[in-house]
Amino acid sequence: GENVEQHPSTLSVQEGDSAVIKCTYSDSASNYFPWYKQELGKRPQLIIDIRSNVGEKKDLRIAVTLNKTAKHFSLHITETQPEDSAVYFCAARLPDGNQFYFGTGTSLTVIP
Amino acid sequence: ETGVTQSPTHLIKTRGQQVTLRCSSQSGHNTVSWYQQALGQGPQFIFQYYREEENGRGNFPPRFSGLQFPNYSSELNVNALELDDSALYLCASSMDRVYEQYFGPGTRLTVT
Repeated sequence: GENVEQHPSTLSVQEGDSAVIKCTYSDSASNYFPWYKQELGKRPQLIIDIRSNVGEKKDLRIAVTLNKTAKHFSLHITETQPEDSAVYFCAARLPDGNQFYFGTGTSLTVIP
Repeated sequence: ETGVTQSPTHLIKTRGQQVTLRCSSQSGHNTVSWYQQALGQGPQFIFQYYREEENGRGNFPPRFSGLQFPNYSSELNVNALELDDSALYLCASSMDRVYEQYFGPGTRLTVT
């Protein structure tokens, strides 16, 4: 199966700075990579995703990049705000698969 | 709100007992996946149901079983509960097993 590694496990940034979270995956056949934000005690919320035929995707302050050759993808948050503080999970899915393989999460703290 | 609901919110059971958790998928979604999320970890795939049939299973023992009903709602049953079963159980729904999946709020199960 697929194996997804996520770094760093914790990240603190000053408000207004950028934050970058990186994930690597093991199976080159994986073709869909979502990112979820989970606030304490709440459900994981899909914030952005990317498919393997695209190298980059942006949505306001959030962007995801995918490097298929190196088998890694990254979440970029610009102009961070305190409400961005949460745990972020990356995931990968194989084309014929049914399960999402999740990373271990990154706890992001934005310091006002 | 994504429309995925789960019940109950919290549950306390004793080791050896059985439990049933419920999930209502988002309107128009015919696929439900179940995940176990231990504290501080990413969600781990239990199994997926697509059009009332099990469509893949993660590394969980047979005492974890499920159902999907004609309205695409789903149940997760766990027999012979063990202390390590204590976790947040999440369901996620999607359309035709493809790409975006949306999580419910989860059921917090505590086994004592």
